[in-house]
Amino acid sequence: EDQVTQSPEALRLQEGESSSLNCSYTVSGLRGLFWYRQDPGKGPEFLFTLYSAGEEKEKERLKATLTKKESFLHITAPKPEDSATYLCAVQALGGSYIPTFGRGTSLIVHP
Amino acid sequence: DTAVSQTPKYLVTQMGNDKSIKCEQNLGHDTMYWYKQDSKKFLKIMFSYNNKELIINETVPNRFSPKSPDKAHLNLHINSLELGDSAVYFCASSQRESGETQYFGPGTRLLVL
Repeated sequence: EDQVTQSPEALRLQEGESSSLNCSYTVSGLRGLFWYRQDPGKGPEFLFTLYSAGEEKEKERLKATLTKKESFLHITAPKPEDSATYLCAVQALGGSYIPTFGRGTSLIVHP
Repeated sequence: DTAVSQTPKYLVTQMGNDKSIKCEQNLGHDTMYWYKQDSKKFLKIMFSYNNKELIINETVPNRFSPKSPDKAHLNLHINSLELGDSAVYFCASSQRESGETQYFGPGTRLLVL
């Protein structure tokens, strides 16, 4: 069974204090790993897709990296507007395209 | 312009009632989804439709019946609502069945009393 574990559950940072969120996964074969951002009371918003170990993607202050067992979402010099829950999901190789989501990391950035 | 819209935004109802949630996407996507997010924020896929055809049905009780009248719409009807159905239901769409990039609606907050 595919599993996704995100850590920490919650993270509080000061504005400008860089950090990383972790997404560990267990899947028979990885088709893709996805990062989403979810603001309170809203639907998830797509950030990145990673397909193979060693791949990296960047968007503004966010950088996602992938290894064979985990993915990191690095946040450089965060701002209060980066406060949100960050969700990780994986899709396994095979016939179906069912995504398995982690429970998310709730990030609060204090000014 | 709203890409994926859902109605209603809030739904409060009694146990045993039947209710429907509507979803529309104006992105021209082929694939649409229904997800359930529980009180602990765990997001789980329920159904997926590709070109109006059901392709994913994740062991959801028969009380839940999705209907896709056309590619742009995917509705969710729930019969005999139970307390455990209380959750936030999200509709989403993607360009292809593989679903690499999904666009989510704002969610429908269902509370069963």
